[in-house]
Amino acid sequence: QVQLQESGPGLVKPSQTLSLTCTVSGGSISSGGYYWSWIRQHPGKGLEWIGYIYYSGSTYYNPSLKSRVTISVDTSKNQFSLKLSSVTAADTAVYYCAREWELHWFDPWGQGTLVTVSS
Amino acid sequence: QSALTQPRSVSGSPGQSVTISCTGTSSDVGGYNYVSWYQQHPGKAPKLMIYDVSKRPSGVPDRFSGSKSGNTASLTISGLQAEDEADYYCCSYAGSPVFGGGTKLTVL
Repeated sequence: QVQLQESGPGLVKPSQTLSLTCTVSGGSISSGGYYWSWIRQHPGKGLEWIGYIYYSGSTYYNPSLKSRVTISVDTSKNQFSLKLSSVTAADTAVYYCAREWELHWFDPWGQGTLVTVSS
Repeated sequence: QSALTQPRSVSGSPGQSVTISCTGTSSDVGGYNYVSWYQQHPGKAPKLMIYDVSKRPSGVPDRFSGSKSGNTASLTISGLQAEDEADYYCCSYAGSPVFGGGTKLTVL
């Protein structure tokens, strides 16, 4: 079965770029039919969809984050990545990657990784 | 996009039924049969419980059911068990996915 695992720095300085990678196992990103998403959860708060990428490289981002977000895919490594620029303390959150079905539901999810923005 | 509205908390005793509501607008919940529900235990990733309003993924107990009326979707958990205590989030398509604020379910 498909599993996802996030990786990347747990601490990022303000104004810098947050970079995370999601490694997919048990299935190929290139098989198509699914979208690959990033979702975040601020401490003690709800979930916020960040954006998705298709294996072809087409992307769609949350309008509220669009100016700072880049999602890319590396099909040779079966990975997709998130870059969020000009981060502030408000970007401190647990970041999840997930497989998105039919543009509106998510399964499975990675275990999540906490990213703290602090100097 | 505004977050969907969920009650902050609900509670019930073992064996009882509880319903969690998720209210949106005609642009999201009311406009599409694209509502999903997620269960999240503390420190864990969300788990899909319901998709397309009322469909249950393989492995999810039939105690969990979903429905929708107008701009409000609902998740009903019958025969409450201690392990159902968790946070629950709804999600709807609105041009892009939008989540509810979450509901904490306490099993008394």
